[in-house]
Amino acid sequence: QKEVEQNSGPLSVPEGAIASLNCTYSDRGSQSFFWYRQYSGKSPELIMFIYSNGDKEDGRFTAQLNKASQYVSLLIRDSQPSDSATYLCAVRGSGGYNKLIFGAGTRLAVHP
Amino acid sequence: DVKVTQSSRYLVKRTGEKVFLECVQDMDHENMFWYRQDPGLGLRLIYFSYDVKMKEKGDIPEGYSVSREKKERFSLILESASTNQTSMYLCASSLALAGDSYEQYFGPGTRLTVT
Repeated sequence: QKEVEQNSGPLSVPEGAIASLNCTYSDRGSQSFFWYRQYSGKSPELIMFIYSNGDKEDGRFTAQLNKASQYVSLLIRDSQPSDSATYLCAVRGSGGYNKLIFGAGTRLAVHP
Repeated sequence: DVKVTQSSRYLVKRTGEKVFLECVQDMDHENMFWYRQDPGLGLRLIYFSYDVKMKEKGDIPEGYSVSREKKERFSLILESASTNQTSMYLCASSLALAGDSYEQYFGPGTRLTVT
């Protein structure tokens, strides 16, 4: 079974700090990696995707990918209370049909 | 604007009933997906469809079936609802060929309770 693992949290950070969310995956053939944000009672929405080793920045968000270590992370700079949500890591594997395998999510709480 | 809609936000059914959950997308996407989401387990794929009348089992298809008669509509069917099918059900859609910027767009979800 191909897996995506995340720490369930909650990860609690003060407002203005950097939040670091981590994800590991088991399928070495995985091609693309995605971070979705899900507010309580809402559906997931895409924040970022990354497919090349290294860092990718978009505003306050940075995704980091290390395929050799099968590790992907999301950094949120200057964290705001509005960032409090569950963050889902998703991996597009080698199986075709654009299927995603989701982690169980990390709950982030940003306190003022 | 991208839109995926689901027929109900909340649904309460009795054990043994046949349940239909419907999903409609207006983006002309080829792929459509049904997930269930349970605390601590994340999103688990039930079934997906990559074309009209085409379907593939996901990771947890037991107790479910699907129908895709039109490109924009993908239905999830619980033949005989059981209490362990109480869950949040999420529909998603995507383009078939989207390259590395591939994204699945999600509907608002249906919270199903089976009593």
